[in-house]
Amino acid sequence: AQSVAQPEDQVNVAEGNPLTVKCTYSVSGNPYLFWYVQYPNRGLQFLLKYITGDNLVKGSYGFEAEFNKSQTSFHLKKPSALVSDSALYFCAVRDTGGTSYGKLTFGQGTILTVHP
Amino acid sequence: KAGVTQTPRYLIKTRGQQVTLSCSPISGHRSVSWYQQTPGQGLQFLFEYFSETQRNKGNFPGRFSGRQFSNSRSEMNVSTLELGDSALYLCASSLVPGGYNEQFFGPGTRLTVL
Repeated sequence: AQSVAQPEDQVNVAEGNPLTVKCTYSVSGNPYLFWYVQYPNRGLQFLLKYITGDNLVKGSYGFEAEFNKSQTSFHLKKPSALVSDSALYFCAVRDTGGTSYGKLTFGQGTILTVHP
Repeated sequence: KAGVTQTPRYLIKTRGQQVTLSCSPISGHRSVSWYQQTPGQGLQFLFEYFSETQRNKGNFPGRFSGRQFSNSRSEMNVSTLELGDSALYLCASSLVPGGYNEQFFGPGTRLTVL
């Protein structure tokens, strides 16, 4: 079975500082990994994804994520945080093996708060 | 291109009633997935449809059902509503299911069960 863990319920960072939102995963095959962001009273917006190849993936709004196979992690990063980045962030995984083909499993979400 | 649309946006029902939620995917997208989002349980997968066939199903009771039409539009139905069914129901579409295709989400339907 596939699973995703976001170990921090909340991350606080000052505007202008780098931010990291952590994600670890478990799959039986190879993973496809995704990050989404959710603003209040809105649906989820796609940020970026890892399929294969370069371990550093660049996405929307200046976000990037680093895939680490040995640590089964896919942490979301941004070099300089903005107050407008404050939102709920979800990591998701899709297993290429096992019996859950196609199914996207989400982590519990991390609330990011960027202070002015 | 228009995004994923969901109707209605807000719904208030009482226990025991049933409800039908509607989702129109992005034009050209043939796969539709449904999720339930609650503060306590987070995002939970309900089911996925492709070509009018249910391909995947999450761990929800049989009161939760869905279907997909030939134009890829999808509906989900919840019968005999319980208080615990109060949640944001999100619909997501993708070109085809699975693989590396990302899903695009609608704004959700906020269901309140009294």
